[in-house]
Amino acid sequence: EVQLVESGGGLVKPGGSLRLSCAASGFTFSNAWMNWVRQAPGKGLEWVGRIKRKTDGGTTDYAAPVKGRFTISRDDSKNTLYLQMNSLKTEDTAVYYCTTVIVGATTYEDYWGQGTLVTVSS
Amino acid sequence: QSALTQPASVSGSPGQSITISCTGTSSDVGSYNLVSWYQQHPGKAPKLMIYEVSKRPSGVSNRFSGSKSGNTASLTISGLQAEDEADYYCCSYEGRKVFGTGTKVTVL
Repeated sequence: EVQLVESGGGLVKPGGSLRLSCAASGFTFSNAWMNWVRQAPGKGLEWVGRIKRKTDGGTTDYAAPVKGRFTISRDDSKNTLYLQMNSLKTEDTAVYYCTTVIVGATTYEDYWGQGTLVTVSS
Repeated sequence: QSALTQPASVSGSPGQSITISCTGTSSDVGSYNLVSWYQQHPGKAPKLMIYEVSKRPSGVSNRFSGSKSGNTASLTISGLQAEDEADYYCCSYEGRKVFGTGTKVTVL
């Protein structure tokens, strides 16, 4: 069974830092492109960024609002995805989800974690 | 990249059909057949309903269908049921992902 479990959320002051983790299981994590998506309270979904698998270069890409402040990384030996968030702003308050798509010969499966809440407030 | 535009709300009676539009640009929705649709119930993670404009993942009811014309994608829910009441988001996912503004579907 595929599972994505986020952790690391909490309350942080503006300007502070936080690192989120996403523990993956049930699939070959090293083969997967992984995304972070967030959702502010009562608002819509917003893509945060993505990291490719190492065989595709392992490169990252970010949405404009977080570029230069957030860093996505992965540890394939631990099957874990990370989101390092620096210089946090109140508008970064949201539930953060890690997501991936697993494409098989005849299947297309989209997985999301349960999300972790980040609150940026003084 | 701006969010794709969806109507804020759509409603229908049980058994009816409704259609949700998703308008982008020639740089996203109009360029690629990489549009997906998500359903989200309150307090839950989004669930994929449609990918690549019109394909349904295994387990998704055939009451859900997708299409695209130019820069606008659409999700149609036929035979509307009470359990379809939720928020729906479109997503263009070539390269960077861009989500729609979201549509609240109400079953009257």
